[in-house]
Amino acid sequence: SQKIEQNSEALNIQEGKTATLTCNYTNYSPAYLQWYRQDPGRGPVFLLLIRENEKEKRKERLKVTFDTTLKQSLFHITASQPADSATYLCALVRQAGTALIFGKGTTLSVSS
Amino acid sequence: DGGITQSPKYLFRKEGQNVTLSCEQNLNHDAMYWYRQDPGQGLRLIYYSQIVNDFQKGDIAEGYSVSREKKESFPLTVTSAQKNPTAFYLCASSIGGGQGASEQYFGPGTRLTVT
Repeated sequence: SQKIEQNSEALNIQEGKTATLTCNYTNYSPAYLQWYRQDPGRGPVFLLLIRENEKEKRKERLKVTFDTTLKQSLFHITASQPADSATYLCALVRQAGTALIFGKGTTLSVSS
Repeated sequence: DGGITQSPKYLFRKEGQNVTLSCEQNLNHDAMYWYRQDPGQGLRLIYYSQIVNDFQKGDIAEGYSVSREKKESFPLTVTSAQKNPTAFYLCASSIGGGQGASEQYFGPGTRLTVT
């Protein structure tokens, strides 16, 4: 069955550093991958989508890479700020339709 | 002001009672979804609907039921058959219609507590 894993439950970094979050998947070749941000007690918010033919995508301080050979996506936040503290979820489309499979998320804490 | 709404934000029920969670969207999206989130479990798909009057079971549909009589509405009923109903429930919508790359828009969630 399709499986998606985010490498760590929690990541703690200092303000100004680059945060790198990892998403790995198995038994699947998704056409695209999405990243979401979730704050405590709230619904996730879409951040970025990257397609299999795109190696890298950027949006302001965010960068996502997609390596279909390694079956891995990396999510980077440069010049991190305490306001970036949240849980970040990666998601893949299911093979059978448009519903997504979500990873369990990585909780990022940025200290000042 | 477009968006997706869920009500209520907090819901308390006694064990053995059915309860219906509301989800409404005015984004004109075809697809709608229900997820359940438990600590350390991530989001798990309960049901989804790609078009009015049609819906499919997700990974954990047992003990739940849905209807999709209107494009804007996708209510979820948590029945007494659901063994562990206490959780954070999230509704989402997307353009759908086979456009699998579309992002999902989430509501604020309903926290259900059953005692």
